Amino acid sequence: DTAVSQTPKYLVTQMGNDKSIKCEQNLGHDTMYWYKQDSKKFLKIMFSYNNKELIINETVPNRFSPKSPDKAHLNLHINSLELGDSAVYFCASSQGDRDTQYFGPGTRLTVL
Amino acid sequence: QKEVEQDPGPLSVPEGAIVSLNCTYSNSAFQYFMWYRQYSRKGPELLMYTYSSGNKEDGRFTAQVDKSSKYISLFIRDSQPSDSATYLCAMSAGNQFYFGTGTSLTVIP
Repeated sequence: DTAVSQTPKYLVTQMGNDKSIKCEQNLGHDTMYWYKQDSKKFLKIMFSYNNKELIINETVPNRFSPKSPDKAHLNLHINSLELGDSAVYFCASSQGDRDTQYFGPGTRLTVL
Repeated sequence: QKEVEQDPGPLSVPEGAIVSLNCTYSNSAFQYFMWYRQYSRKGPELLMYTYSSGNKEDGRFTAQVDKSSKYISLFIRDSQPSDSATYLCAMSAGNQFYFGTGTSLTVIP
């Protein structure tokens, strides 16, 4: 069974569109994260949710909004997509905010 | 100055060589130190996890943490072609996680 899963795996869209990426974890973890990995492989944390509460919100544009319907899911909504949003987005989860994180397979977003 | 510095490589070694990967950091509050391995077009996977200073060994992999020098290392013994990947160091203090940029490693058969 996949521990952390993301859909879709690939997403190609036009500038200005609104899109969502879904993430689910079946590890029973209470903290979930979204990361952006750019073309230089730098992994930057965007958000984390602990028990449905946002506890990290790095300086990302407000076009990005995380939504957590329950402890096992953390979805990422992106409005008015821009070319610079093209990247690989990883979801991760951990038990507690100090524990090691387990990553999903990533969603490769391409904005045309 | 970045919180975590890691030489991006690329690093190319012959099969069987000992590989040394390193990261330096600036925040003395970091207490948890991790190494992730990322294959091409895959998510990072946890390889090693250490708390505070010291060594930890797991098979062919050894992680070292020197908090006094703010320096961490990952050693791979008897490297295999299947070890070819990008290796990212990560560290945390409280609820803040920071990753290095990753070192690309190729083990040549």
